[in-house]
Amino acid sequence: NAGVTQTPKFRVLKTGQSMTLLCAQDMNHEYMYWYRQDPGMGLRLIHYSVGEGTTAKGEVPDGYNVSRLKKQNFLLGLESAAPSQTSVYFCASSYSGTVYGYTFGSGTRLTVV
Amino acid sequence: DQQVKQNSPSLSVQEGRISILNCDYTNSMFDYFLWYKKYPAEGPTFLISISSIKDKNEDGRFTVFLNKSAKHLSLHIVPSQPGDSAVYFCAAGDDMRFGAGTRLTVEP
Repeated sequence: NAGVTQTPKFRVLKTGQSMTLLCAQDMNHEYMYWYRQDPGMGLRLIHYSVGEGTTAKGEVPDGYNVSRLKKQNFLLGLESAAPSQTSVYFCASSYSGTVYGYTFGSGTRLTVV
Repeated sequence: DQQVKQNSPSLSVQEGRISILNCDYTNSMFDYFLWYKKYPAEGPTFLISISSIKDKNEDGRFTVFLNKSAKHLSLHIVPSQPGDSAVYFCAAGDDMRFGAGTRLTVEP
């Protein structure tokens, strides 16, 4: 039972570099989300998707792009990394929005130096 | 603006006693509230939820209470166990706004 899988688990980037975080779910969930967690801030929604081929902005979308070409995958891209993007990133998926709760991956710890 | 607030960063209780975690929200339009538990190096896991049409929901040792007039919800854990030691997040709204979390430590 894989659930939600995030790769990589850790990454160090230099300022200005780009990278893509991959999220894969095997539960046939329609909804997928990207969050970032910072100390004292809880989890903040970056982008989300309500189905294959759709994406939408969340609370803190600036500096990130996303794509959902396949239902099971949700990619988060950083085109030009900045130190302010140092964070722990969590991907989540759900069957139908809020009501049933979200299933989260184990996170990606990203450091931008 | 933080629409969901957990004002206690940490809580410590003795094993077997009750743990009460609190959460306040500002948006009266929120109609669904959830609690998540998070262990270190893991993602949050869904714990329990409550709809705005209810004032209480119970699941085993976990009970969530909702006071809509005060825009306040709380999670009660009875009896508390050392395995309950984790960070607890409350969340609300269609776009799942999270509080900052409360670190619960249950001491043997």
